[in-house]
Amino acid sequence: DAGVIQSPRHEVTEMGQEVTLRCKPISGHDYLFWYRQTMMRGLELLIYFNNNVPIDDSGMPEDRFSAKMPNASFSTLKIQPSEPRDSAVYFCASSPRIGESSYEQYFGPGTRLTVT
Amino acid sequence: SQQGEEDPQALSIQEGENATMNCSYKTSINNLQWYRQNSGRGLVHLILIRSNEREKHSGRLRVTLDTSKKSSSLLITASRAADTASYFCATDDGGSYIPTFGRGTSLIVHP
Repeated sequence: DAGVIQSPRHEVTEMGQEVTLRCKPISGHDYLFWYRQTMMRGLELLIYFNNNVPIDDSGMPEDRFSAKMPNASFSTLKIQPSEPRDSAVYFCASSPRIGESSYEQYFGPGTRLTVT
Repeated sequence: SQQGEEDPQALSIQEGENATMNCSYKTSINNLQWYRQNSGRGLVHLILIRSNEREKHSGRLRVTLDTSKKSSSLLITASRAADTASYFCATDDGGSYIPTFGRGTSLIVHP
């Protein structure tokens, strides 16, 4: 398997523009996570899905952020409109199982977002 | 959800020395995990230790867990320059099993 795939790897956009980040999880993994990493706040969990259903989106900072998982092999994180404070590295991660027999998370390479 | 805290924030050692990083947390957990992040890359899982375990080994890595003190340590023996990275602990909150990450320890190993 190619691992978790994220695109684009780098995104530079102007304030007010819509940004869409994409993720393809590892096949067979039931859980998908979106994280944001900044120097100030560290690695924050934004939202996670189980079997394509959003379970907890309490980490989504504002209504400007939305995430979807239309099928088991694809998820998007959208920011509309974007602001300079959204600049960060956004990671997608997937895991085969969470629970008593927990498995580790597999992270993608991240998308470095810069909003000017 | 709780967040573990790693200590120290930064660690600089010479190749061949051992590196020890610690993680403290506040509430009961099911599992604790350690991850490594190389500069500009995603996180890579190192070890998962369950709350009923006290020690685990993986190659040059040794992880201990003391649930009475709510702390864990990661020991890297005979460090190499390639071990230079940030190391994160991830803890769940004892209920959901969903891990949250600390801010990490930045390790630099000088050749």
